[in-house]
Amino acid sequence: DTGVSQNPRHKITKRGQNVTFRCDPISEHNRLYWYRQTLGQGPEFLTYFQNEAQLEKSRLLSDRFSAERPKGSFSTLEIQRTEQGDSAMYLCASSFTPGAGEETQYFGPGTRLLVL
Amino acid sequence: GENVEQHPSTLSVQEGDSAVIKCTYSDSASNYFPWYKQELGKRPQLIIDIRSNVGEKKDQRIAVTLNKTAKHFSLHITETQPEDSAVYFCAASIYNFNKFYFGSGTKLNVKP
Repeated sequence: DTGVSQNPRHKITKRGQNVTFRCDPISEHNRLYWYRQTLGQGPEFLTYFQNEAQLEKSRLLSDRFSAERPKGSFSTLEIQRTEQGDSAMYLCASSFTPGAGEETQYFGPGTRLLVL
Repeated sequence: GENVEQHPSTLSVQEGDSAVIKCTYSDSASNYFPWYKQELGKRPQLIIDIRSNVGEKKDQRIAVTLNKTAKHFSLHITETQPEDSAVYFCAASIYNFNKFYFGSGTKLNVKP
């Protein structure tokens, strides 16, 4: 499968624990996005990278959330001191943009987080 | 920021009938409008998109129309089949901001 991959696919944790998710984008894609999706809603933008630079963070991304893309390839999203309200599907997407403007984003299968 | 509203939230049609899903957006700077299909437990998959310099685009049984003046766009599925059953999301993107604003989704049920 040469699409976007995410690991783990499911994560159950206790409130207060830290969790880390990984996203591997399509190999030639320079942009990587993180979204959060709750039941019955569309994905909500969290942050995005162009190569290794994090260019934008949503107000939804509290200081407990941090994302990295150290070598411009895979990315990690860490949630510290998880809360029950963090329970959601975390989706990663990637795209290739030769210049500024809109582009098609391809989504990964998501990591479903449940905080008990 | 951009606000995308999507209607209806659920849609049930008989196999072979047409289905129409409508979205409105608030920011006139939005110029790219993709539609995604998400089956239960699976990733969103792009099915069609339209850019603001085009009023309509077709791909086999799927078409999307865009009215920039009214700031709304619609997805049309003709000759629906049971495998079209899924949740459909519209999205809008503002030039050079590179993030998608999604609607809340429409659950389409095609009855055989």
